[in-house]
Amino acid sequence: DTAVSQTPKYLVTQMGNDKSIKCEQNLGHDTMYWYKQDSKKFLKIMFSYNNKELIINETVPNRFSPKSPDKAHLNLHINSLELGDSAVYFCASSLGTNEKLFFGSGTQLSVL
Amino acid sequence: AQTVTQSQPEMSVQEAETVTLSCTYDTSESDYYLFWYKQPPSRQMILVIRQEAYKQQNATENRFSVNFQKAAKSFSLKISDSQLGDAAMYFCAYRSAWNTDKLIFGTGTRLQVFP
Repeated sequence: DTAVSQTPKYLVTQMGNDKSIKCEQNLGHDTMYWYKQDSKKFLKIMFSYNNKELIINETVPNRFSPKSPDKAHLNLHINSLELGDSAVYFCASSLGTNEKLFFGSGTQLSVL
Repeated sequence: AQTVTQSQPEMSVQEAETVTLSCTYDTSESDYYLFWYKQPPSRQMILVIRQEAYKQQNATENRFSVNFQKAAKSFSLKISDSQLGDAAMYFCAYRSAWNTDKLIFGTGTRLQVFP
């Protein structure tokens, strides 16, 4: 049973397209996150949601729009994809914000 | 703002030997958490070990232990009896005890394990 699952694992698309990445957790956690890992392996938080409410938006372009339909899901929609959006995107979850994070296996996005 | 620095882009170790990965951080806070995460080629981020800043005792998890020097703002990871499966990227991370919603990661250290 996968605790935090992301789909798709790989996403190849053209510049200017719109794409979505889905994330689901079955751990009963109330806080979910999106992290971005660039080509140099640097990981940085993008968004954090607690009980479906946005907590953190780390100066991410507004082309990125997270949506949390319920506590178990946090999807990431990206409009007008740019070359610089190519990265690995990780979803994560935790029970509250003081507990350890469980990460998904990442979605590798390649923008051509 | 807090920062995390890993000064070793790559390290290597012989199987069964011991290796230490370095991490330093900068913060003005007195209460925080420190973590080491492992990222194998599968890309999965796996928590290796966690340290609360208010605890003086160094955390240990089986073959993994840390040397936490709060005054020096240093948090190194020691891997004993290295195994081939330990080969991975290792990330040091910081989280404030006040602003707990995000982890701040270092740039990572790639560890190679040779048989």
